[in-house]
Amino acid sequence: DAKTTQPPSMDCAEGRAANLPCNHSTISGNEYVYWYRQIHSQGPQYIIHGLKNNETNEMASLIITEDRKSSTLILPHATLRDTAVYYCIVRGSGNTGKLIFGQGTTLQVKP
Amino acid sequence: DAGVTQSPTHLIKTRGQHVTLRCSPISGHKSVSWYQQVLGQGPQFIFQYYEKEERGRGNFPDRFSARQFPNYSSELNVNALLLGDSALYLCASSLGQVINTGELFFGEGSRLTVL
Repeated sequence: DAKTTQPPSMDCAEGRAANLPCNHSTISGNEYVYWYRQIHSQGPQYIIHGLKNNETNEMASLIITEDRKSSTLILPHATLRDTAVYYCIVRGSGNTGKLIFGQGTTLQVKP
Repeated sequence: DAGVTQSPTHLIKTRGQHVTLRCSPISGHKSVSWYQQVLGQGPQFIFQYYEKEERGRGNFPDRFSARQFPNYSSELNVNALLLGDSALYLCASSLGQVINTGELFFGEGSRLTVL
């Protein structure tokens, strides 16, 4: 599975969009990009995933560059409850329950 | 519907002791995975069990073992505890072995402190 690089921390004002970047320059053609987040003292929570097209769900949007070497998770209107560690993970389809978590980005949403 | 439940939530052990952690997956889910999360780090994969068989193992010593029961619940056992085993142990469940949707559902974890 490809390695990912994320900034260790970011701040965002409440109500603003939070844009969390992720580099995955060694991603291969059949590998997906997944995002999970972990709010303090809780288990990780699935947010979204995609292969090459942009994806949107009720929680967030995922923008993947055309060369697939990087992506951005967008929380359109961040709230204080979005303060968490966000993990970008790259893995192949059909794999087992193994996810390789890096250290993630700690997003602090400020009032 | 109940999510993934883990017990105990917190426990304290001393070096050399043994610990058993338990996990009940979401109803209908047949796969359970275990992760270890040391303070300040992301979770690390330990095991996956599906249909009572081990389907994946991470880079952990043989002191770590697990099993899955006919009702799909699971236990993680750690023998000869070391100080470095202090961590949050997370259980995650999924419908099947293959995670095509990308969704693993995690429990709140069992926080183990080894003194």
